[in-house]
Amino acid sequence: QVQLQESGPGLLKPSETLSLTCTVSGDSVTNSNFYWAWIRQPPGKGLEWIGSIFHRGSTYDNLSLKSRVTMSVDMSKNQFSLKLASVTAADTAVYFCARRQSSGPWITWFDPWGQGTQVTVSS
Amino acid sequence: SSELTQDPAVSVALGQIVKITCQGDSLRSYYVNWYQQKPGQAPVLLIYGNDRRPSGLPDRFSGSSSGNTASLTITGAQAADEADYYCHSRDRGGDHQVFGGGTKLTVL
Repeated sequence: QVQLQESGPGLLKPSETLSLTCTVSGDSVTNSNFYWAWIRQPPGKGLEWIGSIFHRGSTYDNLSLKSRVTMSVDMSKNQFSLKLASVTAADTAVYFCARRQSSGPWITWFDPWGQGTQVTVSS
Repeated sequence: SSELTQDPAVSVALGQIVKITCQGDSLRSYYVNWYQQKPGQAPVLLIYGNDRRPSGLPDRFSGSSSGNTASLTITGAQAADEADYYCHSRDRGGDHQVFGGGTKLTVL
């Protein structure tokens, strides 16, 4: 059974860099069938895709985050990571990691998801 | 604003049928997925590729898509189905992922 677990600091000050790690068990981040993704959910709001990364380094990220996103994969630890620079209160959210699956170029979905980790940005 | 539009809230009587919809231009080209999220929990995949159910999912949940509108149908709604439901697909350009704003389902 594939499981994902997010970890990282829960409280940040404005202008700091958010750093989160997702540890994968039951699968390998080098599995060429999958991308690995980050998704967030501000309090009381809907889901927002942050970005996706393939273990060979190709990434896609949400243009609305204005290039503040950096993603990486650590194959030795079977983890992938997210850095979000220059955070503000608007970045306060529950952050989820997920495995992105595809069946051809027109079907992609997220499954499974990690349990999520709360990140709060406050001075 | 999301490229996928959902009604914010829908209600259904216990045991009845309810349809939750998702609209967006990208649905003319890309398949849609549906997730269920209960309070304090991570989303769970319900439907992928418009109408495919993950193994183990009750067949009360079904999906369809036509033109720019996708639907999630729950047949015989149960109290346990009270949750937020999100549609998901690619954006019109195809490189990025988008979610609908979510629909809060209340079972009366």
